[in-house]
Amino acid sequence: NAGVTQTPKFRVLKTGQSMTLLCAQDMNHEYMYWYRQDPGMGLRLIHYSVGEGTTAKGEVPDGYNVSRLKKQNFLLGLESAAPSQTSVYFCASSYWSGSTDTQYFGPGTRLTVL
Amino acid sequence: GENVEQHPSTLSVQEGDSAVIKCTYSDSASNYFPWYKQELGKRPQLIIDIRSNVGEKKDQRIAVTLNKTAKHFSLHITETQPEDSAVYFCAAKGGFKTIFGAGTRLFVKA
Repeated sequence: NAGVTQTPKFRVLKTGQSMTLLCAQDMNHEYMYWYRQDPGMGLRLIHYSVGEGTTAKGEVPDGYNVSRLKKQNFLLGLESAAPSQTSVYFCASSYWSGSTDTQYFGPGTRLTVL
Repeated sequence: GENVEQHPSTLSVQEGDSAVIKCTYSDSASNYFPWYKQELGKRPQLIIDIRSNVGEKKDQRIAVTLNKTAKHFSLHITETQPEDSAVYFCAAKGGFKTIFGAGTRLFVKA
């Protein structure tokens, strides 16, 4: 099992450019999440999905869009990148068993917007 | 909106001492409280969790306590070791969303 993988690992964008971050999981998890991690601010939820074809907004959704066309993939899009979107992005997936909800994180994508 | 506050932001202890990290949450509907450890340059990983119907849970050197009335929960690490040095995040889950605290950077000095 590869677990949760993210593509790419690093990226530098210019202001106004667009890009898509890909998250893939092979654990058959229903739930998937996108977080951003900034110094001193922990992990903030951008968008999440509770199943194939569904998405919902998290704490900081502005400037991002997502799609979950296949159960194993969760895409995060930046249509017009801004310097404020410079961050480390983590994808995660989980399976809520009713008693535990371990989130398995990907390795992260470090994005710099100039 | 939902909020999780975590203290302290930085904690330095001597090897062998205990470390305590405290969190408070705002959403009374939260019913699941995980703790994650993130080593430098790595991804966060779950180390222990507790459900709202349990007051305390222990796993070797780590334990978590929950006071649902006060909306407080804490992580306790005993007999700290240099490999415990990392950033620790508390979190609270209500419904589908998990809200994380800002993190505590723990330094264990040998």
